[in-house]
Order: sequence, then structure tokens, then C-alpha cells
Amino acid sequence: DIQLTQSPSSLSASVGDRVTISCRTSQDINNYVNWYQQKPGKPPTLLIYAASLFPSAAPSRFSGGGSGTDFTLTITNLQTEDFATYYCQQSSSPWTFGQGTKVDIK
Amino acid sequence: QVQLQESGPGLVKPSETLSLTCNVSGRPMTRGSYHWSWIRQSAGKGLEWIGRMYIRGGTNYNPSLKSRVTISIDTSKNQFSLKLSSVTAADTAVYYCARMAELGIKGLYYYMDVWGKGTTVTVSS
Repeated sequence: DIQLTQSPSSLSASVGDRVTISCRTSQDINNYVNWYQQKPGKPPTLLIYAASLFPSAAPSRFSGGGSGTDFTLTITNLQTEDFATYYCQQSSSPWTFGQGTKVDIK
Repeated sequence: QVQLQESGPGLVKPSETLSLTCNVSGRPMTRGSYHWSWIRQSAGKGLEWIGRMYIRGGTNYNPSLKSRVTISIDTSKNQFSLKLSSVTAADTAVYYCARMAELGIKGLYYYMDVWGKGTTVTVSS
């Protein structure tokens, strides 16, 4: 299986900050990466797919990049509703997820 | 707007079979090219994809669970189901059903765009 390693595991930030989360895969997966946001007691919600595309419901302050084995999720102008846990996921079967990055308030 | 809702027993005894159903509302499952998936989340293993079934046929299962998993679809009821046999405490988790979309642009991309709220299943005697 393809392993995904996210860094950092957690971070503290302030409203208005720019935050970048990294996801490294154990093998080259082109751009077959998705990103999800999860809040406590809720299911994950899709933020980014195919590394850099975003669904219509996702706020434009979220952006994704990278290819091969290194990917990033960037949040510009962090808002209070963005404090959550973020997961990357690779979309080559079997689908696997990173261990998550928790973003909390500084 | 498509909505998914899981249902099933919250407590299952060790060695028994866990059975869950996901009801899909707002749109027929047969419309479009979607796959219907199960994912679980436990404190120990994080998010774990269990398997998927394509509406036009075919299933894929996580190799680590493949010998114990069956996913099926009932289009007449607009729902799909998960059966996980011979459960142990390690199968205790929140179980989610999700719709998996596919996008074909210079490759075939899959992503889970609609999720159920999740249901907690505890394996204990």
C-alpha cells in the first residue's frame, strides 16, 4: 500500500495567518491526491481533489499543489471555521489516508 | 442534493458479523458514474478505506479486510450495505458511507464528495 506522511502533525495559528500542510507519499502518484477537512464529531468534507482542483462548495482560501511524492495544502487568511483536522488521501487503490494535521488556535 | 445516512447496530459481539446500511436520498444511485464506498475511523488507525462498489458492477476491497468484507447495492431501495464478518475489538470504529465520484482528465481521478454522518460501532461481548 502507498503510505502518506503528513507534517506537521499539529500546528497552532492565528486568524489571518497563512498555513501550509505537507503530505509526502511513499511512491510517485502523479497528482492523485485529495484533501479533506474534518471537525470533531463530523464526517470529513472534500476540500481539494486531483491535487489542485476544488469543488464549488470549498472556499477559495484553500489551495492545493504538488505532484509526484510531495503535496501541499495551503490556507490563506485563516478563519475561525478553519480550525480542524486536515487529511490527505491518495486515490490509487487501495485508497489510503494520511494520519492528519490538527490546526488549532494559537 | 444527495444525502447519505448510515444505520445498523451500535454493538456487535466478537466473532459475529457487522451489518450496516447506507440510505441514499435526493438522487437515484443509478444516475451518473458513481462508486459507493465505506470508510471507517478509529483512534488507533485513523481513516481507513474499506471498499467500494461501482454502480455498473465491480467491487474493490482493502486487501487488509478483503477476506471479511462484502459490499452490495440495492438500487430498488436506493441503498447500499456493508457486511464485515468475524469482528474483533479492532473493528470498533465510526463507520462512514460515502459517494465516490470519478473524473476523467488525463487520467481517472476518484474522490469522496458526499459523506454520511457516520455511525459508531463497538465490538464487545
